[in-house]
Amino acid sequence: SYVLTQPPSVSVAPGKTATVTCGGNNIGGKSVHWYQQKPGQAPVVVIYYDSDRPSGIPERFSGSNSGNTATLTISRVEAGDEADYYCQVWDSNTDQWLFGGGTKLTVL
Amino acid sequence: EVQLLESGGGLVQPGGSLRLSCAASGFTFSSYAMSWVRQAPGKGLEWVSGIKSGGRTYYADSVRGRFTISRDNSKNALFLQMNSLRAEDTAAYYCVNQLGNCDSTSCPYYFDSWGQGTLVAVSS
Repeated sequence: SYVLTQPPSVSVAPGKTATVTCGGNNIGGKSVHWYQQKPGQAPVVVIYYDSDRPSGIPERFSGSNSGNTATLTISRVEAGDEADYYCQVWDSNTDQWLFGGGTKLTVL
Repeated sequence: EVQLLESGGGLVQPGGSLRLSCAASGFTFSSYAMSWVRQAPGKGLEWVSGIKSGGRTYYADSVRGRFTISRDNSKNALFLQMNSLRAEDTAAYYCVNQLGNCDSTSCPYYFDSWGQGTLVAVSS
């Protein structure tokens, strides 16, 4: 089955840029969605269809997808961005929706 | 405003059954695909099962044959019948509505609005 690989953790200083990756075989041929989950809360979609941003999500959040890696980029990181981030795709081979293992973003 | 309210969680013994419900409001429920997503304590998100507006169902390998998803569009309700429960099914279960594009061969929906979750604990 299709596997999405995320780094378990990423650390970044406030005001800097955070990059969260999501690896998968030819993931560039799929649509990737990203979710933010803060402790004790339900997830929230922050990027959908690789690079679209829902209303209410700051422009600091952006996404890209090419080759074997999709990337969530958070510019000018703030303390409030500290959360777990998950990528998600549709696997047409198994007709299943899949999540990556998640990345914990720590703001130093 | 979209609202999704899950109920039906609780403590059940291994091999037992539970039926989760989700009451939806604030959108045209019958027009949208819906899914259940779970999260074991301290773990990541796992998609469990989904159902399209027309009734086609989808299941994760881990629950196929044990769980059954259904919907009642007249009552704006989503259900998950869980049988033969195992310890590894212990998790918070979220009701989620799905948005995006879907055709006969590809269905890359994303998960838009989430409920607050209902806890299922499987233990003797």
